[in-house]
Amino acid sequence: SAVISQKPSRDICQRGTSLTIQCQVDSQVTMMFWYRQQPGQSLTLIATANQGSEATYESGFVIDKFPISRPNLTFSTLTVSNMSPEDSSIYLCSVRGQMYEAFFGQGTRLTVV
Amino acid sequence: ILNVEQSPQSLHVQEGDSTNFTCSFPSSNFYALHWYRWETAKSPEALFVMTLNGDEKKKGRISATLNTKEGYSYLYIKGSQPEDSATYLCAFGYYGQNFVFGPGTRLSVLP
Repeated sequence: SAVISQKPSRDICQRGTSLTIQCQVDSQVTMMFWYRQQPGQSLTLIATANQGSEATYESGFVIDKFPISRPNLTFSTLTVSNMSPEDSSIYLCSVRGQMYEAFFGQGTRLTVV
Repeated sequence: ILNVEQSPQSLHVQEGDSTNFTCSFPSSNFYALHWYRWETAKSPEALFVMTLNGDEKKKGRISATLNTKEGYSYLYIKGSQPEDSATYLCAFGYYGQNFVFGPGTRLSVLP
């Protein structure tokens, strides 16, 4: 199993500003995953972060809007840039276990006003 | 586009009742089917990972079955308790580490 510390747990932000979310894992992992759950929607993968290379973004998500850092094998950040109310969501970081099961951080509940 | 559906969307049951939910997924390119429990203000927690058609898994009062040929999985909770109140997510796994999550079933167990 993996223990992931994610912060902040929640925030209320003004539109046009940016928020950086951090995730720290208690073990070294090759890939970290960033998800978003908008109200009433499914958990959706934003991007996969590999250490030492650029993140791989899913369709509909771009680096300028969601820049990701992965400076080492235990840490990653996701920035939500130039926020609008549509970015109000729960953001989750995740890693995979041996059975490919997902372990998640506690989530960041973001409200953009 | 891979479509994973869950029903019902939400459910209210009395303490002690048994209940079940459904997850429907594509029957091709199947790798694994996952179930997660997501309690409010906590992390989603893996309940089961199932890979074989006909798999049945059990964890306490919770069990799950898998039919990969017809593309569905059932999650059963026997004798629901208030602490079972959560959103239950299924995830369809294809090509190893790729998942598509369903929208979840929100369960409320009333004391």
